[in-house]
Amino acid sequence: GQSLEQPSEVTAVEGAIVQINCTYQTSGFYGLSWYQQHDGGAPTFLSYNALDGLEETGRFSSFLSRSDSYGYLLLQELQMKDSASYFCASNQGGKLIFGQGTELSVKP
Amino acid sequence: NAGVMQNPRHLVRRRGQEARLRCSPMKGHSHVYWYRQLPEEGLKFMVYLQKENIIDESGMPKERFSAEFPKEGPSILRIQQVVRGDSAAYFCASSLRTSGNTDTQYFGPGTRLTVL
Repeated sequence: GQSLEQPSEVTAVEGAIVQINCTYQTSGFYGLSWYQQHDGGAPTFLSYNALDGLEETGRFSSFLSRSDSYGYLLLQELQMKDSASYFCASNQGGKLIFGQGTELSVKP
Repeated sequence: NAGVMQNPRHLVRRRGQEARLRCSPMKGHSHVYWYRQLPEEGLKFMVYLQKENIIDESGMPKERFSAEFPKEGPSILRIQQVVRGDSAAYFCASSLRTSGNTDTQYFGPGTRLTVL
């Protein structure tokens, strides 16, 4: 089957760094995307890794290791507005296969 | 440049009625995807369409559900004879192309369907 595993929830304090891991078991894998969703609203694209290594976009970075079927999203200098659900998703033939999501709570 | 538009934002139907959900992709995008999200869960792929073509419907239930993306106008997700289990948020996404399957998908605000 196809599945992506990520922690259900993570808590951190403002200004800290947090890492959200994602392991996947999928066929036809082209790359790993990350999306943010606030309160059930529109998922917002954050980052995409097609190749192994680190992609940096401002405070957010994403990493992929194809050999380990593993990736992570790194959020730096956490802000209260970063409290949201974060989803990893496998790109496969156009469609996205999503993980169950990680609920991030940022505390003051 | 307007984003992905979906309407209605909220839809209430009684069991047995039909639900029609509309999605207008971002300007210039010709690829549309539909996803369903149940509370506290991730998004589940339903169908992928290009103009006038269904490319992948592997996530669509075999009965009562259909989708189209006509040459003119929005994409439509149609659910016939709705049941309570159809209550969910339905998200549409669009992309410019899928060359190399790396094209970013941009999501609309979703339609919250409630079946009474």
